[in-house]
Amino acid sequence: NAGVMQNPRHLVRRRGQEARLRCSPMKGHSHVYWYRQLPEEGLKFMVYLQKENIIDESGMPKERFSAEFPKEGPSILRIQQVVRGDSAAYFCASSPALSTDTQYFGPGTRLTVL
Amino acid sequence: EDKVVQSPLSLVVHEGDTVTLNCSYEVTNFRSLLWYKQEKKAPTFLFMLTSSGIEKKSGRLSSILDKKELSSILNITATQTGDSAIYLCAVQKETSGSRLTFGEGTQLTVNP
Repeated sequence: NAGVMQNPRHLVRRRGQEARLRCSPMKGHSHVYWYRQLPEEGLKFMVYLQKENIIDESGMPKERFSAEFPKEGPSILRIQQVVRGDSAAYFCASSPALSTDTQYFGPGTRLTVL
Repeated sequence: EDKVVQSPLSLVVHEGDTVTLNCSYEVTNFRSLLWYKQEKKAPTFLFMLTSSGIEKKSGRLSSILDKKELSSILNITATQTGDSAIYLCAVQKETSGSRLTFGEGTQLTVNP
């Protein structure tokens, strides 16, 4: 049973470009969470999605950030017009049907904005 | 605002030592506390604690929750260099869609 998969593992963007981060949850998991880890800081919740629904996006910056989890395919975290402050590790986690189950994390995408 | 505080922030020990990592929290509608180990990649799940006073054990690692004191400890006995990692504590609430609120982590270094 493959774990949570994220790609790319490393992403370099110049200021003003768009970044697209992908997350495939574990097989049988229908809940996806995105967290951000800034340098020297802990993991911070961004958004919680189920298939085709955003359940909680209270941790997402109001502008430039969006997330989706379509019926088919991976969850996507999209950052438009990236700035240097967006440089961070972005982790995705998934859990099974019950949203209060343990969350299992992917290896993360390290975004560097030049 | 929900708060999770871990201590110490960093710890250096020798192989064979026993370590205790602390986590305290201030959240409303507490449901569970989770411990993760983070090396250079994905945080790896260690324990989920929901009931006070019941120790969970996995090999040389153990953890216990104290709901009265709003805290948890993670013990590692007979440490090995492979235990070097950041140990993360997170809490989950009954409400708020099961998001995790993390502490800053404890950086553990085990020297040979």
